[in-house]
Amino acid sequence: EAGVAQSPRYKIIEKRQSVAFWCNPISGHATLYWYQQILGQGPKLLIQFQNNGVVDDSQLPKDRFSAERLKGVDSTLKIQPAKLEDSAVYLCASSLRGLAGNNEQFFGPGTRLTVL
Amino acid sequence: KQEVTQIPAALSVPEGENLVLNCSFTDSAIYNLQWFRQDPGKGLTSLLLIQSSQREQTSGRLNASLDKSSGRSTLYIAASQPGDSATYLCAVSSSNTGKLIFGQGTTLQVKP
Repeated sequence: EAGVAQSPRYKIIEKRQSVAFWCNPISGHATLYWYQQILGQGPKLLIQFQNNGVVDDSQLPKDRFSAERLKGVDSTLKIQPAKLEDSAVYLCASSLRGLAGNNEQFFGPGTRLTVL
Repeated sequence: KQEVTQIPAALSVPEGENLVLNCSFTDSAIYNLQWFRQDPGKGLTSLLLIQSSQREQTSGRLNASLDKSSGRSTLYIAASQPGDSATYLCAVSSSNTGKLIFGQGTTLQVKP
């Protein structure tokens, strides 16, 4: 079974530029998550999709971050414009259903973003 | 608001030693708790998931316990090996959406 795929693996940009990350979840997984992991910290949820609908985006900085999962499969996370504090690893995860008690999450390798 | 804490932040042990990693959480109303391993520059690998109705889960040399009433979980690693060197993260799900709240992790180094 193929795992969660993410691209690119690394990205370096100047502040105020824009960047986009792509994620393809495990086939058949209804729920997709985007996490931000700052160096030395645990991941923090940015946004959660159930199929193509948003379940939780309470910690997404909506003035600069956006995400979509148009066909309920793969997803794109965008940052525009980027700030220095956005430097982090962006992790995508998926789970079969995402419901309470049935949400074992499987993670991709992440995209390491450096903002200069 | 759920908060997850892991102690210690870093741990160094000689090969062969048994060790325990600790995780505590502030709100005992959880659905499950998951332990992950993260190697440098890599994503997270799920190690064990304990449902709220369970007390422990085992996989090979790993054993995770859960005490909901005290808000604690431990990950026991038996006969540690250099290949166990990594950061170990615990995360709790206390929302019906399945959202995970992570601790900051314990970085383990096993010396040959």
